[in-house]
Amino acid sequence: SQQGEEDPQALSIQEGENATMNCSYKTSINNLQWYRQNSGRGLVHLILIRSNEREKHSGRLRVTLDTSKKSSSLLITASRAADTASYFCATDGYGNKLVFGAGTILRVKS
Amino acid sequence: DVKVTQSSRYLVKRTGEKVFLECVQDMDHENMFWYRQDPGLGLRLIYFSYDVKMKEKGDIPEGYSVSREKKERFSLILESASTNQTSMYLCASSRRGAGVAKNIQYFGAGTRLSVL
Repeated sequence: SQQGEEDPQALSIQEGENATMNCSYKTSINNLQWYRQNSGRGLVHLILIRSNEREKHSGRLRVTLDTSKKSSSLLITASRAADTASYFCATDGYGNKLVFGAGTILRVKS
Repeated sequence: DVKVTQSSRYLVKRTGEKVFLECVQDMDHENMFWYRQDPGLGLRLIYFSYDVKMKEKGDIPEGYSVSREKKERFSLILESASTNQTSMYLCASSRRGAGVAKNIQYFGAGTRLSVL
């Protein structure tokens, strides 16, 4: 079952602009993660935020989490052409499972 | 670095064939997962395994089976391939235990399977 829902489904921006993607989920979580997938490849873990954290940074990535609204956002600052990829949020499910959303396709034009 | 290796990047099979997708990880992870990915549907969990010879059904196990005879290897089996199993298949592994590290999954590059 899909828990995370990303918004927008697709995003096209110019190099140097910021990109914001949102994720909503339905049930309570212990943590939420964001993954990136380059075209035709596997997913790569980007960042994890715990349920008791509100904001986390990693390089040009900024993740926020609002557990009262059951939502998270991923901000990529000063985007580059190499950031072109699909981005997925994932919430922790039963046991060690993750539940992934359908993803946001980001295209950064140079 | 964790490495998860899937045996084939691209595979073309005929309807009714038995298909084996192999996945090997080199980080001694206890957990291994098989997903399929289709446009607009995200990743859907087929099967997962917490330990050798252990397996549990995911969200869409019908038409699939798995085998985990060794800790590092997790195989996905399509007993009789059908055209609706044409998809991208992704294998992942993660550590078991306490703490958030257990939730981080490491993925292989994927196998794009076409069933004709």
